[in-house]
Amino acid sequence: QSVLTQPPSASGTPGQRVTISCSGSNANIGSNTVNWYQQLPGTAPTLILYNNDQWPSGVPDRFSGSKSGTSASLAISGLQSEDEADYYCSAWDDSLNAWVFGGGTKLTVL
Amino acid sequence: QVQLVQSGAEVQKPGASVKVSCKASGFTFADYYMHWVRQAPGQGPEWMGIINPTDGSTSYAQQFQGRVTMTRDTSTRTLYMELSNLRFEDTAVYYCVRGYWYSSSYFDYWGRGTLVTVSS
Repeated sequence: QSVLTQPPSASGTPGQRVTISCSGSNANIGSNTVNWYQQLPGTAPTLILYNNDQWPSGVPDRFSGSKSGTSASLAISGLQSEDEADYYCSAWDDSLNAWVFGGGTKLTVL
Repeated sequence: QVQLVQSGAEVQKPGASVKVSCKASGFTFADYYMHWVRQAPGQGPEWMGIINPTDGSTSYAQQFQGRVTMTRDTSTRTLYMELSNLRFEDTAVYYCVRGYWYSSSYFDYWGRGTLVTVSS
C-alpha cells in the first residue's frame, strides 16, 4: 500500500493531452514539493519534473506539473508513442521522515 | 557524464544477507548524498535510506532499521548497501540513486539496478 495514491492506469491517443493525479496528505504533498519520475519498460526511473513544476535538462515542456493542497498532477500534452511508460509521484513525508512514492500509473498510448 | 554502476544480480536464501555495490563517477562525490531505493515486482519504488559520502553518516527508513547497513569507500567512490535476514518479500530491484538531503530534494540520477531474488 503506497503512501501516495495514483490511478493504476491512464490512456490517450497520439496528440492528446492526458493528466495523472497523485493524492497525499498534509504530511507529504501538503507540506513539501512533488517530483515525478518516468519508468520505461525494463529500465530505471528517470526524473521528469521536480519541485512541482520544474524541468530537468532535456525533458520536453510537453510534460507539466501542478500542485494544490494535498494533491498534485502531471499533464502530458501532444502525447507520443514513446511516452508509454509507468509514472510515479514522490514527496518527502514529515511524519515518516522518509521519501514516499505513489504506486504508479501505467500510461498506454492507443 | 554521471554514472552509477551497480553489481550484478544475486540469489539468496531466506535468512541470509546480501551486499550490493554502486560505483559512482562523473560528478563530485562530496557535493551530493546517495540514496538506496528498491522496487518490488509490479510495485512502486520504496526509499530505503541515505548516506553522506563525505562522512558516512546515514539515515534509514523505519521499516529497514536494524536490517540495513549503508557504507561507502571514498577511495574507490563505491557505495554499499547490505540487507540482512532476507525475507521472500525482499525480492526486488535495488537502485543506487543520487540526490540530496533536504525535504524538497529529488533523485536526479539512478543506477541501472541490481535484482535481488530471495528464494529457498
